Amino acid sequence: ETGVTQTPRHLVMGMTNKKSLKCEQHLGHNAMYWYKQSAKKPLELMFVYSLEERVENNSVPSRFSPECPNSSHLFLHLHTLQPEDSALYLCASSQELGGYEQYFGPGTRLTVT
Amino acid sequence: GQNIDQPTEMTATEGAIVQINCTYQTSGFNGLFWYQQHAGEAPTFLSYNVLDGLEEKGRFSSFLSRSKGYSYLLLKELQMKDSASYLCAVRDSNYQLIWGAGTKLIIKP
Repeated sequence: ETGVTQTPRHLVMGMTNKKSLKCEQHLGHNAMYWYKQSAKKPLELMFVYSLEERVENNSVPSRFSPECPNSSHLFLHLHTLQPEDSALYLCASSQELGGYEQYFGPGTRLTVT
Repeated sequence: GQNIDQPTEMTATEGAIVQINCTYQTSGFNGLFWYQQHAGEAPTFLSYNVLDGLEEKGRFSSFLSRSKGYSYLLLKELQMKDSASYLCAVRDSNYQLIWGAGTKLIIKP
């Protein structure tokens, strides 16, 4: 257990569905991250939040919408996704932005049909 | 552009030693990280290098040469549980992590 939890662990959704991924960290960290991990590709940083404010949005399509209501919770809202969005979505946190070490959650395995 | 290169897959024998290389070209350098990721699990932190040289932590060691843009992770006395992917990441001048695609290490009895 890394202190970062994610739900659901697996999600299958159609292209017209709307769903949300949830991440919660119990470490008292100030920075949280969403990553996309596709097979045999580097981790892709999607969004970064520091003290609940978004500080990075790496050209992610608008069908992905993040939300950070407080420093412990992070959501990724999904709508009208494409099959190529199927991947493992990882949440991570660190003590500070650009911090020494990131703690990852177990990820949500997303399949878009 | 920024780039991290590491081998896609390596195979080694239980009890042996294996070295996983990582080369990088990034906009600035503020440290290099190695993470371990077992299949279906979260990446977990292994090591951090910011100065040249070798950092040893039990069976695992990590080396850095900033002038060569090169690092390696050395795993000794390999155990079956070391079968995993090993991710190299560099923190650039903006303190963002740039990730390699990972090296899948297969340990055979």
